[in-house]
Amino acid sequence: EAGVAQSPRYKIIEKRQSVAFWCNPISGHATLYWYQQILGQGPKLLIQFQNNGVVDDSQLPKDRFSAERLKGVDSTLKIQPAKLEDSAVYLCASRGPNTGELFFGEGSRLTVL
Amino acid sequence: QKEVEQNSGPLSVPEGAIASLNCTYSDRGSQSFFWYRQYSGKSPELIMSIYSNGDKEDGRFTAQLNKASQYVSLLIRDSQPSDSATYLCAVTPWETSYDKVIFGPGTSLSVIP
Repeated sequence: EAGVAQSPRYKIIEKRQSVAFWCNPISGHATLYWYQQILGQGPKLLIQFQNNGVVDDSQLPKDRFSAERLKGVDSTLKIQPAKLEDSAVYLCASRGPNTGELFFGEGSRLTVL
Repeated sequence: QKEVEQNSGPLSVPEGAIASLNCTYSDRGSQSFFWYRQYSGKSPELIMSIYSNGDKEDGRFTAQLNKASQYVSLLIRDSQPSDSATYLCAVTPWETSYDKVIFGPGTSLSVIP
């Protein structure tokens, strides 16, 4: 079974530029999560999708971050414009039915200069 | 008040000893509790889940849950250098019906040979 796929693995941008991250969850997993993990901290939930609908985006900085999951499968997280404090690893995770386990992708490491 | 709290560490134990990791949570109605392990530069992976009061054992790992005290712990017996990692406590708060998963800040464990 293929795992959660994320790309790109690394991205370096200047502040005020834009960036997009892509995630393809495990086949059949309806729930998809985007987390932000700053170095030395635990993952912080940014947004959670159930199929193609948003169920929680309370911690998403909506003035600069956006995310979509149009067909209920893969998802894109966008930051525009980026700030220095957005430097972090962006983790995508998916969860299947009847289980509490989250399966994480390898993450996308963002450096904002 | 932070939703999930952990001792930040680092926690150092000698090889073969018992490592004890602690976590407290603020939502008294929380139902699901997880321990994830995260090696440096890698993504979190689930090692234990627990849903009811008491102990749950899996090999060298034992999770303990006390809902009255809002406390969950992880014991690692016969610690090995390969156990050196950050351990993340995660909780699903009661007020959500959609399995939101909140992570603590993590505890760094170092097992000394």
